[in-house]
Amino acid sequence: SQTIHQWPATLVQPVGSPLSLECTVEGTSNPNLYWYRQAAGRGLQLLFYSVGIGQISSEVPQNLSASRPQDRQFILSSKKLLLSDSGFYLCAGRRNTEAFFGQGTRLTVV
Amino acid sequence: GENVEQHPSTLSVQEGDSAVIKCTYSDSASNYFPWYKQELGKRPQLIIDIRSNVGEKKDQRIAVTLNKTAKHFSLHITETQPEDSAVYFCAASITGGSYIPTFGRGTSLIVHP
Repeated sequence: SQTIHQWPATLVQPVGSPLSLECTVEGTSNPNLYWYRQAAGRGLQLLFYSVGIGQISSEVPQNLSASRPQDRQFILSSKKLLLSDSGFYLCAGRRNTEAFFGQGTRLTVV
Repeated sequence: GENVEQHPSTLSVQEGDSAVIKCTYSDSASNYFPWYKQELGKRPQLIIDIRSNVGEKKDQRIAVTLNKTAKHFSLHITETQPEDSAVYFCAASITGGSYIPTFGRGTSLIVHP
């Protein structure tokens, strides 16, 4: 079955520090992959999506970037974190018409 | 692009009552409407979905309705139980292609025992 692995589960980082969140998918090849951010009262905001290796589309201007170095790997990064980057980050994949999610990373920028 | 509005943001009901969450979408090309349930601290999980060629779908205590003309769809939970307490998200998407689901802002459902 298709599963999303995402780590770490929680992360506390100081302002100005770099960020790297990794997501890997099992059980499928050439998946569509997505990064969402969930902030309090703001639902699930799509940050990036990727339809293949090296193909990244950004939905909103922001302090973050994404990369797809391998078919089943999707990375969310920042060179310098801001306080406003705090939130719950979810990696998702596509299974037919269903979006299925990783367990999420709770990022707190202090 | 697609815009999904979801109401209410918070819904509090007594156990056994019904709960209704409503969503509207803007892109008439959207043809797939899933609903996700996210329990506290956990990932969202698909609970039910509906396609544009269907007006209603039921699965035990939950049902979804879709009005394509008005571009709105709703989630109905009957005989609510405390374990139904969670955040519920609606979404709209176009199947095929890059398939990018657009989510509503979520509804926090609280079922009081």
